[in-house]
Amino acid sequence: KNEVEQSPQNLTAQEGEFITINCSYSVGISALHWLQQHPGGGIVSLFMLSSGKKKHGRLIATINIQEKHSSLHITASHPRDSAVYICAVLYNTDKLIFGTGTRLQVFP
Amino acid sequence: DSGVTQTPKHLITATGQRVTLRCSPRSGDLSVYWYQQSLDQGLQFLIHYYNGEERAKGNILERFSAQQFPDLHSELNLSSLELGDSALYFCASSVGTPMSGRASVYEQYFGPGTRLTVT
Repeated sequence: KNEVEQSPQNLTAQEGEFITINCSYSVGISALHWLQQHPGGGIVSLFMLSSGKKKHGRLIATINIQEKHSSLHITASHPRDSAVYICAVLYNTDKLIFGTGTRLQVFP
Repeated sequence: DSGVTQTPKHLITATGQRVTLRCSPRSGDLSVYWYQQSLDQGLQFLIHYYNGEERAKGNILERFSAQQFPDLHSELNLSSLELGDSALYFCASSVGTPMSGRASVYEQYFGPGTRLTVT
């Protein structure tokens, strides 16, 4: 079993839909990253959170430490949101452990 | 733009060769992390340096080594290259180590990556 599980693996949506990507992890963590990777390969850090909720534009990330679960929400999705979204957790060591990613395609 | 730079962007080389990948962290960041992303393994942590010292090792092969220099840039050396070493190599930087105590120092900023192709 992977230490970081993401669901769904693939997601397609129509422009304007509300999207949720889930991340579950199996051990205690220091923090959790949500990353975005576009087809060109570059990785952008969307959020780093260790508790509660963060919002940036149309993106919202939440984390429940007790349940070892985080969600990334995209409101009013747009084709430019098409990318791979990766959850990564930071344990009490100095490394990120990555989920396998969720491939999102938003169609006009 | 994250402020982290990596060179070169692309590298094509033959099996058995040795290459060096370079990373410059964001101004003020003391930690540098290296990651490998291959098609079959996904993203994996390789190694972490903080202020010139190795802090943690992940799934880094013995053929690979890294160092962080006094100006805080880092180099990842890959030797005796094999076809399976073809991957995207990312570095990331952060302000400090998790032991610093403040959550904000955990946040990692990624460079654009170096795509290595071994033929």
